[in-house]
Amino acid sequence: DVKVTQSSRYLVKRTGEKVFLECVQDMDHENMFWYRQDPGLGLRLIYFSYDVKMKEKGDIPEGYSVSREKKERFSLILESASTNQTSMYLCASVLSGGSYNEQFFGPGTRLTVL
Amino acid sequence: DQQVKQNSPSLSVQEGRISILNCDYTNSMFDYFLWYKKYPAEGPTFLISISSIKDKNEDGRFTVFLNKSAKHLSLHIVPSQPGDSAVYFCAASVDFGNEKLTFGTGTRLTIIP
Repeated sequence: DVKVTQSSRYLVKRTGEKVFLECVQDMDHENMFWYRQDPGLGLRLIYFSYDVKMKEKGDIPEGYSVSREKKERFSLILESASTNQTSMYLCASVLSGGSYNEQFFGPGTRLTVL
Repeated sequence: DQQVKQNSPSLSVQEGRISILNCDYTNSMFDYFLWYKKYPAEGPTFLISISSIKDKNEDGRFTVFLNKSAKHLSLHIVPSQPGDSAVYFCAASVDFGNEKLTFGTGTRLTIIP
């Protein structure tokens, strides 16, 4: 079974702090994604990566950056956390060129910024 | 601009009856569609998908219908069970094999025992 793990289930940070969210997948997937989930807005794509050191902006990249130094790990960075970044953050991965587009998700990190 | 819309934020259905969840899209380039199910405090899990070359795909109690001319898809769950209570997201992609998905806003389904 594909496993996608996220470093924290719950996180509380203060405004202005630098925040790192880590995601690791164990199935050698090329593609990894970071989403945030908010009520009434669904899942919105923040950043994605097609390969090591490759990254592309999603629909809402402002205030975020990412790092992909190893194939299995994709990190989301909040350079200076703000209260409007309080959300559920979901990481996903998928095999490149697979016969379907099914993304496998981690359990999510509930981030609260005070 | 929400390209994938689920206009019903919530739905309640009696156990044993049919649940019908709807999804509309605006981008005519979408040609592959998926449904995900999400329980609280868990990540979404894949449920069922359909390619634009089909108008129906069935997997056990779950059936997805696609109406390309109306840019509309629906998920039918028959019979509905208490374990089906969750948030359901539809998602779409451009080109089969394109891994980037656009998700809808979600519908919270509650099955009443």
